[in-house]
Amino acid sequence: AQSVSQHNHHVILSEAASLELGCNYSYGGTVNLFWYVQYPGQHLQLLLKYFSGDPLVKGIKGFEAEFIKSKFSFNLRKPSVQWSDTAEYFCAARGGNTPLVFGKGTRLSVIA
Amino acid sequence: GAVVSQHPSWVICKSGTSVKIECRSLDFQATTMFWYRQFPKQSLMLMATSNEGSKATYEQGVEKDKFLINHASLTLSTLTVTSAHPEDSSFYICSAYPQGHQPQHFGDGTRLSIL
Repeated sequence: AQSVSQHNHHVILSEAASLELGCNYSYGGTVNLFWYVQYPGQHLQLLLKYFSGDPLVKGIKGFEAEFIKSKFSFNLRKPSVQWSDTAEYFCAARGGNTPLVFGKGTRLSVIA
Repeated sequence: GAVVSQHPSWVICKSGTSVKIECRSLDFQATTMFWYRQFPKQSLMLMATSNEGSKATYEQGVEKDKFLINHASLTLSTLTVTSAHPEDSSFYICSAYPQGHQPQHFGDGTRLSIL
């Protein structure tokens, strides 16, 4: 079955620290990959997406993710986090025209 | 860009009431829409896939008689929570995407609170 797993349930970082959130997927065939962010009390926002081409994808707010096919991974990174990055982060995947399947999410808390 | 509109944004009602949630694609046609549910501090779980002109496809464990889905046109899908109970209280989110290599667009969600 198609699945997405996020390794970290809750990550706590100080401001300016570097961030890497893990995401692994289990899909056969072509896969599209996404990272969404959900700020407290708000709806989902798309951070970045990968369909094909350059496996290093740059998104909004300084985030990037790298698709490593051999590892079935799509980890999210940011060199220096800010307090305003405190949110829930969801990795998601789909194959073709199938619906998105989400990981369980990782809560990021950035402390001053 | 593609926009998905969801209405209402918040519903509070008594137990036993049926509640209808609308999802519209505003600037594109969507033959397929998706309904998700998100419990507090949890991830989005796909409930069903809504297909224009045909029956919805429900995920395992989702009661189709409880959560009625109607996809009457290429821009509108509705989810009706029938005889809602407190355990149905959740955040319901619809989604759709234009054809081709497009990300899925989400509505703002409907917070359903059953008293």
